[in-house]
Amino acid sequence: AQKVTQAQTEISVVEKEDVTLDCVYETRDTTYYLFWYKQPPSGELVFLIRRNSFDEQNEISGRYSWNFQKSTSSFNFTITASQVVDSAVYFCALSDTFSGGYNKLIFGAGTRLAVHP
Amino acid sequence: GAVVSQHPSWVICKSGTSVKIECRSLDFQATTMFWYRQFPKQSLMLMATSNEGSKATYEQGVEKDKFLINHASLTLSTLTVTSAHPEDSSFYICSARRSGTTKETQYFGPGTRLLVL
Repeated sequence: AQKVTQAQTEISVVEKEDVTLDCVYETRDTTYYLFWYKQPPSGELVFLIRRNSFDEQNEISGRYSWNFQKSTSSFNFTITASQVVDSAVYFCALSDTFSGGYNKLIFGAGTRLAVHP
Repeated sequence: GAVVSQHPSWVICKSGTSVKIECRSLDFQATTMFWYRQFPKQSLMLMATSNEGSKATYEQGVEKDKFLINHASLTLSTLTVTSAHPEDSSFYICSARRSGTTKETQYFGPGTRLLVL
């Protein structure tokens, strides 16, 4: 079955600390997509990254970086030098052909990140 | 960019009334739209997949007679919560898949908070 596990329910850090949010997924498919979304207090989901299963290159975008490892079915997200504005709930999501004909997104439970000044 | 709007952003209603939520893709055509529900401090759960011109596909456990979905055009899908009750109070989020793109591209609306008294 398809599943996304975000074991960290809440993380609290002090500004400028680095923080890694873990995401472990399960899928029977060989072709799938992984996503990270940010949900600030306003509630609107902000798209951060999409990665397909054939691209295991790590990616860096400013203070954000992602580590995709198929061998461990993990797609972890690191924020370097965290800032108060990074405080939000972060969701990891999976989309594969077994989710249905329209590639439904399966979300993890989310990790609430609190960055304190 | 691809913008999805939702209206209203907030709605408070009395128990037993029906509430209609609109989801619009503002600058693109969306063959498929998705409706999610998010309870406080929980993840997003897919309720149904809506396709233009056809009946919606509901997820297991979602009552199709209670949550009516209409996708009459390529830019508009509506979710009607019929005979709403306090347990229907939640954050409802829609997303739209842009026509002609790869299946994994979904754009999210800002969400609608429903409070049933």
